[in-house]
Amino acid sequence: IQLRQSGLGLVRPSQTLSVTCAISGDSVSNLTAAWNWIRQSPSRGLEWLGRTYYRSKWLNDYALSVKSRLNVNPDTSKNQFSLILRSVTPEDAAVYYCARDGNGQNWFDSWGQGTLVTVSS
Amino acid sequence: QSALTQPASVSGSLGQSITISCSGTRNDVGGYNYVSWYQQHPGKAPTVIIYDVNKRPSGVSNRFSGSKSGSTASLTISGLQAEDEADYFCNSYTSSTTYVFGTGTKVSVL
Repeated sequence: IQLRQSGLGLVRPSQTLSVTCAISGDSVSNLTAAWNWIRQSPSRGLEWLGRTYYRSKWLNDYALSVKSRLNVNPDTSKNQFSLILRSVTPEDAAVYYCARDGNGQNWFDSWGQGTLVTVSS
Repeated sequence: QSALTQPASVSGSLGQSITISCSGTRNDVGGYNYVSWYQQHPGKAPTVIIYDVNKRPSGVSNRFSGSKSGSTASLTISGLQAEDEADYFCNSYTSSTTYVFGTGTKVSVL
């Protein structure tokens, strides 16, 4: 399995951050996998943000810290999923990773390459 | 959800053993056997070295081992080698169907 990230690395304060993760070697609709977003910054360390997964319907889980601003959306036509984070502030500057927890496991066995996001006007 | 607590740094000499702790609550580490550990070298994405408290993925050295007691998990690296110098993070599934990472530990090989 490979996860390939794409998205803009520079976002202005109060704007919306969007990053996409393209999946090869698996399906975003896999009934035993979940598709996660994780970020890392010097001040916050590694922080799990949220995930989407399909279990006869699409489900999401989100960290409380970003729940009101975050959406993780699947795109079955392109076999990918995306992170949409609204109203960003400088505290959202980080390296963003996508990752899979698969086969009914509760650990991350595949990671994207990371996207460095800067928040600046 | 507060981050799991790890020591900021741990060091050891070549060939020695070190242990990194990961303290949580009954809502995460203490409530589930879904603790995993990740190794991260500078500029790279993390990679899993332990899952489900004490299982090793294929290809991971048996010098890495994990355990748990109550709400505290531990990672032990035995026979410390130069390439073990990296950052280590624990992670746990939680009662809110979310995940939480540890604060991270920098391992130095003397």
